[in-house]
Amino acid sequence: GAGVSQSPRYKVAKRGQDVALRCDPISGHVSLFWYQQALGQGPEFLTYFQNEAQLDKSGLPSDRFFAERPEGSVSTLKIQRTQQEDSAVYLCASSLGGGAIVGKNIQYFGAGTRLSVL
Amino acid sequence: AQKVTQAQTEISVVEKEDVTLDCVYETRDTTYYLFWYKQPPSGELVFLIRRNSFDEQNEISGRYSWNFQKSTSSFNFTITASQVVDSAVYFCALSEGSSSASKIIFGSGTRLSIRP
Repeated sequence: GAGVSQSPRYKVAKRGQDVALRCDPISGHVSLFWYQQALGQGPEFLTYFQNEAQLDKSGLPSDRFFAERPEGSVSTLKIQRTQQEDSAVYLCASSLGGGAIVGKNIQYFGAGTRLSVL
Repeated sequence: AQKVTQAQTEISVVEKEDVTLDCVYETRDTTYYLFWYKQPPSGELVFLIRRNSFDEQNEISGRYSWNFQKSTSSFNFTITASQVVDSAVYFCALSEGSSSASKIIFGSGTRLSIRP
């Protein structure tokens, strides 16, 4: 597709339920990022993939959060045993370059998945 | 530590007025990149500009202009002759180093409302 696509756009989960959020990056983009955006705040980094390799997961708030990108394209962010504090918009971004390319590549964002945990 | 501060939480102006959004950043790196993104009600973050730490030239793109001053660690954004369609939340952001793998640190955003 032309841009980063995320699904679902909205997800309501009961506390304790597991959820999976999907991200389809721009075709050919090597780098993929996940961010969490709480209401009224800026996005905060969760994790980064270069192709299928997860090179940075320092932003994942707990071991209930897990991300994968098995074929180096589509990525899934999974949250186990959801808690109310997990309610937020989860944004996915992709960029063209991998680690071998010098210079800062622009990250293009999807519209996000709004997760509400009741 | 890296940090981005957008002190203006909300700004409201009448259409056709000029408006400046302030951004102050902190970093220990000598190589870094600064960004501005726009987030309309649809939620998608729209890239507006990227500037590296070695290029202090100001930039103008139509009604938008950016003023980068390393001496004051500021990267301010001005909209000239604002329009209702400019209403959105605007984020200033910072990324350290030269690797494309570096995460972006965002400010808390400024909500801009343009009244007709």
